[in-house]
Amino acid sequence: EVQLVESGGGLVQPGGSLRLSCAASGFTFSSYWMNWVRQAPGKGLEWVANIKQDGSDKYYVDSVKGRFTISRDNAKNSLYLQMNSLRVEDTAVYYCARDPYGSGGWYDYWGRGTLVTVSS
Amino acid sequence: DIVMTQSPDSLAVSLGERATINCKSSQSLFYSSNNKNYLAWYQQKPGQPPKLLIYWASTRESGVPDRFSGSGSGTDFTLTISSLQAEDVAVYYCQQYYGAPPFTFGQGTKLEIK
Repeated sequence: EVQLVESGGGLVQPGGSLRLSCAASGFTFSSYWMNWVRQAPGKGLEWVANIKQDGSDKYYVDSVKGRFTISRDNAKNSLYLQMNSLRVEDTAVYYCARDPYGSGGWYDYWGRGTLVTVSS
Repeated sequence: DIVMTQSPDSLAVSLGERATINCKSSQSLFYSSNNKNYLAWYQQKPGQPPKLLIYWASTRESGVPDRFSGSGSGTDFTLTISSLQAEDVAVYYCQQYYGAPPFTFGQGTKLEIK
């Protein structure tokens, strides 16, 4: 059974940092592009970043470029999102999601998400 | 960036009736080299992550009931629920995955029972 489990969310002050993790199981993690998608409270979905199978290609939405870094450790079946210089508008549930197509596709499995709250 | 616009924002339909949700993209999502439209549909129930329903605009994900169907091409797409069930109450999102990132979502359509 495919499982994605996010962790690392919490309350952080504006300007602070946080590192999210996503533990994957039930599939060959190293064979898939992986993504982070976020959802602000009561709002819609926003794609944040994705990363190629071997970590060599990474893409970001403009609003997080230079502040967030996506990475992965295929030996640990884990995806990460390092978030620096956090802003109030980064407050959201962050989901990791698998792309079965590759380099930009739909998302067939999602984790349950981890809540990041940026507030003073 | 490609802008995705859904209509309506909310919809109330009687049980057993048809529900139709529209999604319009700011540029064509059709790629002629493979004859595919780069569009997906998701269902999200309260407190849950999104669930994939449809990809390539009309291909139903495994396990999704056949009352859900997707149609359209180019810039105009539709998600249809042929006979609304109580468990279909949710917010529905379209998403484009054409070309380079960012891969944008529509704003969502809230579906309720009339």
